[in-house]
Amino acid sequence: KQEVTQIPAALSVPEGENLVLNCSFTDSAIYNLQWFRQDPGKGLTSLLLIQSSQREQTSGRLNASLDKSSGRSTLYIAASQPGDSATYLCAVNGNEKLTFGTGTRLTIIP
Amino acid sequence: SAVISQKPSRDICQRGTSLTIQCQVDSQVTMMFWYRQQPGQSLTLIATANQGSEATYESGFVIDKFPISRPNLTFSTLTVSNMSPEDSSIYLCSVGQLNEQFFGPGTRLTVL
Repeated sequence: KQEVTQIPAALSVPEGENLVLNCSFTDSAIYNLQWFRQDPGKGLTSLLLIQSSQREQTSGRLNASLDKSSGRSTLYIAASQPGDSATYLCAVNGNEKLTFGTGTRLTIIP
Repeated sequence: SAVISQKPSRDICQRGTSLTIQCQVDSQVTMMFWYRQQPGQSLTLIATANQGSEATYESGFVIDKFPISRPNLTFSTLTVSNMSPEDSSIYLCSVGQLNEQFFGPGTRLTVL
């Protein structure tokens, strides 16, 4: 059974800093991995999708990497802004089903 | 990307009653998914709904408690039956397109 863990559970950083969120998974037989953002009480916004054959994906200030063999992914956020404050979830896709991590609650301090 | 809407956005219900949540997608999709997010927790898949067939439920979820309809390729409903306070959660539907999943805004349910 796939298990997905995210570290840290919560993170507070001053505005402008670069930061890294971590995601690990136990079963490397995945189709892809997605990073989502969730604002309080809201749905999920897809940030980045990395296919199993890819090593990284970039969108604006966000960069996600994938090391399938070691079961790890990272989300790098450059030049953080207060608007980046949210919970970030990673999810691994195995056979069309997503298994979600526990999430990292990010707070950017102005 | 798919645009997904859900109704209602939130509701407060009495225990023992049922609530039906609607999910509408702006394009035809084969598979639709229903998730539950309990307070302070991550998302858990309830079931997968394919048009024209019975929904497939994950371990711990049963059709009598969470009946699902999928009458066409753009619409699905999830009913939460005989509710108890433990059913208080955010319920989200999602669809897959080209191996990427997109989510609706969710329905926040509170059961008193």
